[in-house]
Amino acid sequence: EVQLVQSGAEVKKPGESLKISCKGSGYTFTSYWIVWVRQMPGKGLEWVGIINPGDSDTRYGASFQGQVTISADKSISTAYLQWSSLKASDTAMYYCARTLTTDPYSWFDPWGQGTLVTVSS
Amino acid sequence: EIVMTQSPATLSVSPGERATLSCRASQSVSSNLAWYQQKPGQPPRLLIYGASTRATGIPARFSGSGSGTEFTLTISSLQSEDFAVYYCQQYNNWPPAFGPGTKLEIK
Repeated sequence: EVQLVQSGAEVKKPGESLKISCKGSGYTFTSYWIVWVRQMPGKGLEWVGIINPGDSDTRYGASFQGQVTISADKSISTAYLQWSSLKASDTAMYYCARTLTTDPYSWFDPWGQGTLVTVSS
Repeated sequence: EIVMTQSPATLSVSPGERATLSCRASQSVSSNLAWYQQKPGQPPRLLIYGASTRATGIPARFSGSGSGTEFTLTISSLQSEDFAVYYCQQYNNWPPAFGPGTKLEIK
């Protein structure tokens, strides 16, 4: 079974750093891209960025460029989303998902269970 | 950058009736469009890709149609478990973009 399992909920203060993870299993991790999607409380889905775990080719949504860093460690089939200095506006649920093709122009399935990030002083 | 819109924002339908949800792209995305269902507290679930191909395990009451800039998701006979938020997503142009969603609620 293809599965993505994300790290647990986080509560942080503004200015702190954070790295959340997404571990893939049941498939060849380097063969498909991993996308990160943000969902702010009560809002819709926003595309954060995408990474090819095979060669670490990474692309970001315009709103997220310079604000987050996406990386992957193919040796442990895990992708990451990290912040160097969190803001209250980063409070959201973050999902990872896998592409269904070998290029980034794809629909996404499956999805991880989500990681809730809360940033509050 | 392609902008996706969905209508209506909220749709009230009775169980057993048909629901028709619309998605529009600001420029042609060919048939490179997917639909997702999201229930409270759950991640999105893929329903349709390629504008009209049902994902594995998706009931036949869900169908997608359209190409270019106009797309439709139809649920032929609503079941209680179908009341949720539905998002479309284009993957023809960079960056892939989601629509704002349609909330399907019980009438």
